[in-house]
Amino acid sequence: DIQMTQSPSFLSASVGDRVTINCKASQNINKYLNWYQQKLGEAPKLLIYNTNNLQTGIPSRFSGSGSGTDYTLTISSLQPEDVATYFCLQHSSRYTFGAGTKLELK
Amino acid sequence: EVQLQQSGAELGKPGTSVKLSCKVSGYNIRNTYMHWVNQRPGKGLEWIGRIDPANGNTIYAEKFKSKATLTADTSSNTAYMQLSQLKSDDTAIYFCAMPITTLFDYWGQGVMVTVSS
Repeated sequence: DIQMTQSPSFLSASVGDRVTINCKASQNINKYLNWYQQKLGEAPKLLIYNTNNLQTGIPSRFSGSGSGTDYTLTISSLQPEDVATYFCLQHSSRYTFGAGTKLELK
Repeated sequence: EVQLQQSGAELGKPGTSVKLSCKVSGYNIRNTYMHWVNQRPGKGLEWIGRIDPANGNTIYAEKFKSKATLTADTSSNTAYMQLSQLKSDDTAIYFCAMPITTLFDYWGQGVMVTVSS
């Protein structure tokens, strides 16, 4: 099974900061990597699919990059409504989520 | 508008079973797969399995092969997941999720299953 190591597990940042969250796969996942945002008490929401494709309706401050085993979600200018937990998901071989990054405002 | 409406919270005793439902409106489930994912309290997300409602074919994560049974009723556009031999470790929120344009772009609201005697 493919393992996903997500970092950091917790992140505190200020409004306007550039924020990056990383996921590392245990093997090459060929860019089959999605990013989700989950706010408290809600279902996850798709932000980015297949590494760098912005889901319809998602603000352009969210972007994704990566290849091989290493992937990154970037929020270019943090907004208060971005406070949430973020998960990566590999779907190259079955499906494995990262453990999550809890993002809070400083 | 595509919506996935899950059944209400469940309280189950250890050793019993519960059956969760996920009713889809706005999209024919025959044209997609239905996946189920859980989230234990304070933890991350875990893929349980998926069903192809068109033919009933299922795939399960190894650890859920004897725990979860996925079915679907295309006439009512509803997917189901039965959890058997409940243990305290099964206490979690369970989500149904389906891909339309891409993987897991639509989710149910989640249902809390609590296992307690």
